[in-house]
Amino acid sequence: EPEVTQTPSHQVTQMGQEVILRCVPISNHLYFYWYRQILGQKVEFLVSFYNNEISEKSEIFDDQFSVERPDGSNFTLKIRSTKLEDSAMYFCASSYTGSTQYFGPGTRLTVL
Amino acid sequence: QQQVKQSPQSLIVQKGGISIINCAYENTAFDYFPWYQQFPGKGPALLIAIRPDVSEKKEGRFTISFNKSAKQFSLHIMDSQPGDSATYFCAARKGAGAGSYQLTFGKGTKLSVIP
Repeated sequence: EPEVTQTPSHQVTQMGQEVILRCVPISNHLYFYWYRQILGQKVEFLVSFYNNEISEKSEIFDDQFSVERPDGSNFTLKIRSTKLEDSAMYFCASSYTGSTQYFGPGTRLTVL
Repeated sequence: QQQVKQSPQSLIVQKGGISIINCAYENTAFDYFPWYQQFPGKGPALLIAIRPDVSEKKEGRFTISFNKSAKQFSLHIMDSQPGDSATYFCAARKGAGAGSYQLTFGKGTKLSVIP
């Protein structure tokens, strides 16, 4: 069964550094998402991406964040200058229709 | 209005019992209501989903009940098993006409099924 994959599984970085989180969505899917989950809390929407552009973003997704689909298979989330409060699990999800969203296993980001 | 309120926060059920988790929403633009199951260290996995034009959907031991007038929906797990022990999230999605497919999640319910 096709699945969403994410790398790395765990990323440790120093405050102020840039990080890039990578995702490979399911191959025929058209809608792509990033969500985050701070430890013990609910999953929060960050951004959705469709037709090679951002379709919606939350207030969390400020100028420090950007997304890209550089080569038609990967989908990346970049955080330009990480803050301590960016520490969380980051989940990529993809969907064919926009309804059923399939989540990847997540990247645990730890900002020191 | 964007919130989805979920209860209880945690639930302990005996093996073979029925687990019931409830969610409520305010935004009538929501038109798709999935439930996700999450094991520690893993991503949320879709369990079952419903649209508001039906009042109930059953898949195996899992049933969603939907009350459109009350803006509430619930997950029932029949014959609960220790392997069902996980965190369950309800979610809601706005329809295409509202311009977004983002999911709004509840805060989660940690279910423990004891032998």
